[in-house]
Amino acid sequence: GQNIDQPTEMTATEGAIVQINCTYQTSGFNGLFWYQQHAGEAPTFLSYNVLDGLEEKGRFSSFLSRSKGYSYLLLKELQMKDSASYLCAVGSGGYNKLIFGAGTRLAVHP
Amino acid sequence: GAVVSQHPSRVICKSGTSVKIECRSLDFQATTMFWYRQFPKKSLMLMATSNEGSKATYEQGVEKDKFLINHASLTLSTLTVTSAHPEDSSFYICSARELRENTGELFFGEGSRLTVL
Repeated sequence: GQNIDQPTEMTATEGAIVQINCTYQTSGFNGLFWYQQHAGEAPTFLSYNVLDGLEEKGRFSSFLSRSKGYSYLLLKELQMKDSASYLCAVGSGGYNKLIFGAGTRLAVHP
Repeated sequence: GAVVSQHPSRVICKSGTSVKIECRSLDFQATTMFWYRQFPKKSLMLMATSNEGSKATYEQGVEKDKFLINHASLTLSTLTVTSAHPEDSSFYICSARELRENTGELFFGEGSRLTVL
């Protein structure tokens, strides 16, 4: 079966660092994706990991451990505009369809 | 980056009518598109995989006669919600990946909000 877990909600302070964890158990694995979604809008791509290790892209970094079925998204120097839902997704199957976790709603406070 | 466009962005219809949502890849070709559904404050639920020139592959629990998918060309997929009912009200989002690209980023359309009265 497919199971992707991430915390439902998190809060953080502007300027701080926050780590959003994601664990997965899927029947196939073609890569792990993180997307950001603001309310009422479509998701926007943040990162993609297919090999173990850390991928850094500006203020955002993503880590993957395939043996542990674990990933995290690290957001540095938080800004108010980072308040959004963060979706962890696993690519699976011949078409590499994305299966999404429930999403983590992040609230950034002044 | 690549652009995926959905139309209409919002639609309100009466119960029992059918609604068609279009998904277009504007600057790339996509043999495969994916249709998702999202309820308020919930994550995206994959409904089906749309394949150009062949039948769509539906996820378990999704009624294929209720949600008709047609992938007529390499740049267009349509989702038709047939005989819509209030419980079909939701945010429908399509996504696509470039031709022959089986890994990497999936590009999402803007989404279509359906309200069935």
